[in-house]
Amino acid sequence: QKEVEQNSGPLSVPEGAIASLNCTYSDRGSQSFFWYRQYSGKSPELIMSIYSNGDKEDGRFTAQLNKASQYVSLLIRDSQPSDSATYLCAVNMGYSGTYKYIFGTGTRLKVLA
Amino acid sequence: GAVVSQHPSRVICKSGTSVKIECRSLDFQATTMFWYRQFPKKSLMLMATSNEGSKATYEQGVEKDKFLINHASLTLSTLTVTSAHPEDSSFYICSAPAEETQYFGPGTRLLVL
Repeated sequence: QKEVEQNSGPLSVPEGAIASLNCTYSDRGSQSFFWYRQYSGKSPELIMSIYSNGDKEDGRFTAQLNKASQYVSLLIRDSQPSDSATYLCAVNMGYSGTYKYIFGTGTRLKVLA
Repeated sequence: GAVVSQHPSRVICKSGTSVKIECRSLDFQATTMFWYRQFPKKSLMLMATSNEGSKATYEQGVEKDKFLINHASLTLSTLTVTSAHPEDSSFYICSAPAEETQYFGPGTRLLVL
């Protein structure tokens, strides 16, 4: 069974620190990877997508992908209390042109003021 | 990014009644939409894939006669929870793909008394 695994946390970091969130996936053929943020009681909102090995930066966020290790991570620099949320890793395990995502259980991040 | 709306945002109903939830893509067309359910502190679970012009595809363990899906147009999919029971109480979220990414609606919180 195809799986996406995340540490449920909570991960607590002080304000201004770097938060590092990790995700592993089981299907070696996966091509598309996504990080979503979900505040309590709200639906997920897209933070970043990544498709190629290496780093992708967008503001304070950096996604890292290593397909050989089947590992994707999200770094949040200069963490703010408003970053406190659950971060969901999603992997598109469908064939090209489909969008059937498998979600991890999410990592709860707490940024301490 | 693309915008997906859901209606209603919250609904309370009596056990045995049916509830319809609408999902609309506001600024793009979607031949496929997805319906998820999320229980408190749990991850998103894909229920079914809604296909415009054809039958929905349900995930294993999801009762198609209980969760009726109709993809009425390129911008509208509906989920009807038939004969709802308290165990159907959950957060229902739809999503639609655009620009190779899934965008989520704001969710519908269903409480069955």
